[in-house]
Amino acid sequence: DAKTTQPPSMDCAEGRAANLPCNHSTISGNEYVYWYRQIHSQGPQYIIHGLKNNETNEMASLIITEDRKSSTLILPHATLRDTAVYYCIVRVDNYGQNFVFGPGTRLSVLP
Amino acid sequence: SAVISQKPSRDICQRGTSLTIQCQVDSQVTMMFWYRQQPGQSLTLIATANQGSEATYESGFVIDKFPISRPNLTFSTLTVSNMSPEDSSIYLCSVRGDRERRTGELFFGEGSRLTVL
Repeated sequence: DAKTTQPPSMDCAEGRAANLPCNHSTISGNEYVYWYRQIHSQGPQYIIHGLKNNETNEMASLIITEDRKSSTLILPHATLRDTAVYYCIVRVDNYGQNFVFGPGTRLSVLP
Repeated sequence: SAVISQKPSRDICQRGTSLTIQCQVDSQVTMMFWYRQQPGQSLTLIATANQGSEATYESGFVIDKFPISRPNLTFSTLTVSNMSPEDSSIYLCSVRGDRERRTGELFFGEGSRLTVL
């Protein structure tokens, strides 16, 4: 699975959009981009995933560049409860067995 | 979605002892995974637990240290054997049910926080 690079930490003001970047320059054509988050003392939670097209759900939006070498997770209106570690993961396909978690980005939403 | 219950949620153990962690899922799932999260670190996959066959261990993890049982499609146990302080971690059970194969989504339990003295 391709390696990802994320900033170790970010701050965001409450109510503003949080834009979390992820670089995956070695991604291959059949690898999906997944985002999970881990709120303190809880298990990781699935947020969103995509292959080529931008995706949106009730939690967030995922913007993938045309060359697929990077992506951005957008939390449109961050709240204090969005403070967490956010993991960007790429993996071969939907049926692969292993998610490789990197160090992620620690997002702090500030009042 | 799947609801995953882990027991114990936390424990303090003595060096040299063993502890078994239980993972119960509210629906039948094909694949279950056990992860370890050491203090301040990210998650590392220990093994994949498959019903009806032996668990598949990742590099650096062995069955003698982390024996796993998977008696049915809703339950699994992970034992941390002969514990040392280096085993102090959060151990997380994760599942991907057949319904989620299309999205690849994983569901996680709340974890079991072990402290070894």
